Amino acid sequence: NAGVTQTPKFRILKIGQSMTLQCTQDMNHNYMYWYRQDPGMGLKLIYYSVGAGITDKGEVPNGYNVSRSTTEDFPLRLELAAPSQTSVYFCASSLPSVNSGTNYEQYFGPGTRLTVT
Amino acid sequence: AQSVTQLDSHVSVSEGTPVLLRCNYSSSYSPSLFWYVQHPNKGLQLLLKYTSAATLVKGINGFEAEFKKSETSFHLTKPSAHMSDAAEYFCVVSGIDKLVFGAGTILRVKS
Repeated sequence: NAGVTQTPKFRILKIGQSMTLQCTQDMNHNYMYWYRQDPGMGLKLIYYSVGAGITDKGEVPNGYNVSRSTTEDFPLRLELAAPSQTSVYFCASSLPSVNSGTNYEQYFGPGTRLTVT
Repeated sequence: AQSVTQLDSHVSVSEGTPVLLRCNYSSSYSPSLFWYVQHPNKGLQLLLKYTSAATLVKGINGFEAEFKKSETSFHLTKPSAHMSDAAEYFCVVSGIDKLVFGAGTILRVKS
């Protein structure tokens, strides 16, 4: 199994450009997540999905969009890139939570380092 | 709502000495708790997890953590630090369908 894969690894965007960060998992996990990581801030949840066709906002969704047409893929779209979106982006997946308090661990991709100038 | 506080942003130890990374959590129900490690320019790797079984949890690479409900703590320890342990460590608490991450503790290991 490849686990969670992300493309590209690095990208430089100009302000106002758009792009899609790709994420694919081959573990048949229902749950998928997008995070951004800024220095000293931990990971902030952007969007998540509990299954194909279902997405929901996390802590910091503004400026991003997602879709989930298949179990395997969960792309993240930036429509009008801004310098504040310079960050490292991680995709993750997991099995469904058993109940409201018990969660399975998340498996992370290697990340995409994005710079907006 | 769930939250987690990592009490030290940086910890520095000498190789061969014990490691203690402190974490307090807040949760309105019995949570799952995790520690993840991130080496420079890498993704996150699970070190260990607590899911309401034994309160002392053993993980990979000699790390362990103890769940203390009365203190709402989940501190990470290792008896003897190795140079390869230098990394950033994240304490994580479960929420509904998602995880909540602490801000991270950077562990430095001196030779």
